[in-house]
Amino acid sequence: AQSVTQLDSHVSVSEGTPVLLRCNYSSSYSPSLFWYVQHPNKGLQLLLKYTSAATLVKGINGFEAEFKKSETSFHLTKPSAHMSDAAEYFCVVSDKGAGGGNKLTFGTGTQLKVEL
Amino acid sequence: SAVISQKPSRDICQRGTSLTIQCQVDSQVTMMFWYRQQPGQSLTLIATANQGSEATYESGFVIDKFPISRPNLTFSTLTVSNMSPEDSSIYLCSGSTGPFSGNTIYFGEGSWLTVV
Repeated sequence: AQSVTQLDSHVSVSEGTPVLLRCNYSSSYSPSLFWYVQHPNKGLQLLLKYTSAATLVKGINGFEAEFKKSETSFHLTKPSAHMSDAAEYFCVVSDKGAGGGNKLTFGTGTQLKVEL
Repeated sequence: SAVISQKPSRDICQRGTSLTIQCQVDSQVTMMFWYRQQPGQSLTLIATANQGSEATYESGFVIDKFPISRPNLTFSTLTVSNMSPEDSSIYLCSGSTGPFSGNTIYFGEGSWLTVV
């Protein structure tokens, strides 16, 4: 079974400073990895995904993540935080579900707070 | 990206009653899933909705409690039966454009259920 560990439940940064949200995964084969964002009272939005192509993946809103197999990590970064980035972020690994299709296993989430 | 719409968006339900959530997806979607997000928690897959046949449930979820239908490719329903306060959650419909782990899964905005 695959699993995902988000190392920080809460991260607080100042506006304009870099963002780092950490994620480690466990997988028996080459995984597909995703980052989703959930704004308050909103659904989930895909930020970016890794599917065994380039290890540095660029997503929406200036976010990017680097897949490091040797470290089993897929950390999410952004050079400069904006107030609108405040949200819950989920690191996700794709697996086979009971229905045979792609089942997402979610990390526990990291709440990002952006301060003035 | 795929368009996924759910209704109701919110409801307050009485203990012991049942509620059916509807989900409509666009034609890009081939696989449909239902997830649950309990308060302050991450998302957990309930089941894969199969067109014209019984849904495939993940461990810990059963058809009697969460009957699911998918009469055609673009429509599915989830019923939460005999509700108790522990069923208060966000229920999210999701869809994938393919069965592979690299296919992106898109989410509806969720149905926020409170059981009193």
